[in-house]
Amino acid sequence: SQELEQSPQSLIVQEGKNLTINCTSSKTLYGLYWYKQKYGEGLIFLMMLQKGGEEKSHEKITAKLDEKKQQSSLHITASQPSHAGIYLCGAVTSGTYKYIFGTGTRLKVLA
Amino acid sequence: GAVVSQHPSRVICKSGTSVKIECRSLDFQATTMFWYRQFPKQSLMLMATSNEGSKATYEQGVEKDKFLINHASLTLSTLTVTSAHPEDSSFYICSAKGEVGQPQHFGDGTRLSIL
Repeated sequence: SQELEQSPQSLIVQEGKNLTINCTSSKTLYGLYWYKQKYGEGLIFLMMLQKGGEEKSHEKITAKLDEKKQQSSLHITASQPSHAGIYLCGAVTSGTYKYIFGTGTRLKVLA
Repeated sequence: GAVVSQHPSRVICKSGTSVKIECRSLDFQATTMFWYRQFPKQSLMLMATSNEGSKATYEQGVEKDKFLINHASLTLSTLTVTSAHPEDSSFYICSAKGEVGQPQHFGDGTRLSIL
């Protein structure tokens, strides 16, 4: 089973709507990273969260990491078609020190 | 600029061919690199951890004889897909571990298509 679970698996929203993507782990994470991607293309780094309770924003995207460092959310405000793509959370898991990815969320924004 | 260079970006070859993919760290030494595989509409799955000077650590279900990994220097890891078949067609991407507290550096990926 995937160690990092993302929800929802896919999302279709109307342009201008807000949306939230969640990333959950059963283990404490050594930092949580958010990426955007289109299949067959490289990853676009969005944000890195390292401290429990940390919150960062860039343009219309805000990411938070909970105090226990086991759950993160990515929030997009006033979504645009350019936000469409696959959103992936990534993290180094405690114990194994491997860098793994969440199950992914496919976002489609309707104009 | 890119700190990890992955080459080639696209490969199309016949079934039975072996394909080598290179992952280079450009401005830093990477003692650890990771190789991932991605199928359409799916996330990136970790295949193996490549350690400089030692054997790679493969994830469960990944055939080590099929996917040969060599990390001969601190700036280069290679993934060779041996005797590739159509089911090996996928998107492969590597990453290198950077400084502590910094995000992983990813290559731009390789689209492998086996005819």
